[in-house]
Amino acid sequence: GIQVEQSPPDLILQEGANSTLRCNFSDSVNNLQWFHQNPWGQLINLFYIPSGTKQNGRLSATTVATERYSLLYISSSQTTDSGVYFCAVGSDYKLSFGAGTTVTVRA
Amino acid sequence: DADVTQTPRNRITKTGKRIMLECSQTKGHDRMYWYRQDPGLGLRLIYYSFDVKDINKGEISDGYSVSRQAQAKFSLSLESAIPNQTALYFCATSDSFDRGLEQYFGPGTRLTVT
Repeated sequence: GIQVEQSPPDLILQEGANSTLRCNFSDSVNNLQWFHQNPWGQLINLFYIPSGTKQNGRLSATTVATERYSLLYISSSQTTDSGVYFCAVGSDYKLSFGAGTTVTVRA
Repeated sequence: DADVTQTPRNRITKTGKRIMLECSQTKGHDRMYWYRQDPGLGLRLIYYSFDVKDINKGEISDGYSVSRQAQAKFSLSLESAIPNQTALYFCATSDSFDRGLEQYFGPGTRLTVT
């Protein structure tokens, strides 16, 4: 199956800082999603981005499919951004998840 | 109301008991999925269903069974629960008539088997 590697595994930020999370994958895909898992365990859809660039408020994402990686940018981080960020990739129905990046934003 | 709901949200059960987790969706999607998440890990696919009569095993289906009672309902059963099935379980949906690929997740069921 497709291998998904996320980096860094952990990230501690001061409120207001910017950060970049990376997702590398081992094969070509036609589905790539970024999720935020909040401290209550809920998975929030952030982006559906098999290629290209998207922005949603303080978050943006870029996927370079030909080079098999995706980046998630968090700008002006807030304490509510804390949680685990997952990248999931795949083709057709099957999603393979990375192990996640745990982000802690300190006030 | 949430588009994808799961019941119960939390459950503690004993080894050997049968338990059913239920998922309902109002998104009108045809595809539904069950995943489990273990601490510190990503999600893994247990079963998926493309419609009421099309059910398929995922990568970790042993010890689980499913039933697609209607397009909007997909339940997961543990016939005889064991402690290593303690995990967070998620239901998800997608729409094959739209992009077909983006998946939307329910709030999760936290299951503890003692």
